[in-house]
Amino acid sequence: GQQLNQSPQSMFIQEGEDVSMNCTSSSIFNTWLWYKQDPGEGPVLLIALYKAGELTSNGRLTAQFGITRKDSFLNISASIPSDVGIYFCAGQGRNSGYALNFGKGTSLLVTP
Amino acid sequence: DAGVIQSPRHEVTEMGQEVTLRCKPISGHDYLFWYRQTMMRGLELLIYFNNNVPIDDSGMPEDRFSAKMPNASFSTLKIQPSEPRDSAVYFCASSRGFWGNQPQHFGDGTRLSIL
Repeated sequence: GQQLNQSPQSMFIQEGEDVSMNCTSSSIFNTWLWYKQDPGEGPVLLIALYKAGELTSNGRLTAQFGITRKDSFLNISASIPSDVGIYFCAGQGRNSGYALNFGKGTSLLVTP
Repeated sequence: DAGVIQSPRHEVTEMGQEVTLRCKPISGHDYLFWYRQTMMRGLELLIYFNNNVPIDDSGMPEDRFSAKMPNASFSTLKIQPSEPRDSAVYFCASSRGFWGNQPQHFGDGTRLSIL
């Protein structure tokens, strides 16, 4: 499958700060998904995006489907310690055979 | 509701041994996926099933890997013979459909170490 470019690779921030991470691809996707993985657990879906330009929020999380359909970003506002984990983007489209392709993840650490 | 259940949670075995990983998908889900997660390569799709039938196994690394789904509530991923480079976390996921609007639900994974 196609590898997505996710950045940054890791972030170390203080509680209360806002966080932004993004994913880019050389191919078009029809769906962008953002997952969070806690230590010792499987990824859990946070937000799903289905339309170019779409902006969707889930509590303090906001994600957007890029207009070019080749990128997406995830913002977390007013971070808290329980936001710690690894965040993955995933894209689904014709070029990937419609299977999910995952980025390598952004590791987020939040200090109180 | 019970989520995707994987067993064992941890497996440590010697090179050359057969390893069998097990997965029970969420009831009513007709798609089942096997993924492998490593630091170097991230999450990779190995194979997926629809209604117990393997649809795409192009991600299976080599003939040492095989997967079966004998019924709607059980799947296995087998490695024989195992090698140290197979060490990884293996995830099973299931979904009600295939598209992104039918999200995949992941199990907690099997952490496999081959010595």
